[in-house]
Amino acid sequence: GAVVSQHPSRVICKSGTSVKIECRSLDFQATTMFWYRQFPKQSLMLMATSNEGSKATYEQGVEKDKFLINHASLTLSTLTVTSAHPEDSSFYICSARAPTSGGGTQYFGPGTRLTVL
Amino acid sequence: KQEVTQIPAALSVPEGENLVLNCSFTDSAIYNLQWFRQDPGKGLTSLLLIQSSQREQTSGRLNASLDKSSGRSTLYIAASQPGDSATYLCAPPQGAQKLVFGQGTRLTINP
Repeated sequence: GAVVSQHPSRVICKSGTSVKIECRSLDFQATTMFWYRQFPKQSLMLMATSNEGSKATYEQGVEKDKFLINHASLTLSTLTVTSAHPEDSSFYICSARAPTSGGGTQYFGPGTRLTVL
Repeated sequence: KQEVTQIPAALSVPEGENLVLNCSFTDSAIYNLQWFRQDPGKGLTSLLLIQSSQREQTSGRLNASLDKSSGRSTLYIAASQPGDSATYLCAPPQGAQKLVFGQGTRLTINP
């Protein structure tokens, strides 16, 4: 099956710093990637939809200036958490939509655990 | 707006039992539905994608059914094993691309 990677898997940073998370589709090209956030014992909440070569579409309540998304190529999308604060600590997961074979299955990365001190 | 409910929230059974996990959704105008498993602290693994034109989809010991008209999907796990312990999530789409997740069913299979 299709493989999606994320880097780093864990990151600890100080309050006020910025953190960049990478999401890569390893064996397929993804015109659309998605970024989710998951708090402990809760389900995934979509943050934004990232389309290659265009601006991301953010869900209601997600600050676009705080969570910067770049999708510069068909295999890479990045999420930058700017001026991170402890309340941004969460599990961030990306997914990539495979080509239409299979009906548009989304494949998920392994996630990045962000801890802001 | 799509809303998803999964029942039960948690399930603990002995090894070998056959299980049914339930998912209900409010917007039946969907073109497919995915089932995923999530292990603690990990990402999601896609288990099955069932198209709206299908009523069932099978992969090994897993069988997913979809009844669009009633807004329901079920995941059937046959002959459960301890390795099946995980949280199972169903995700119908909202619109063309977005997936909406339920809270999941946390499954524990006891040896």
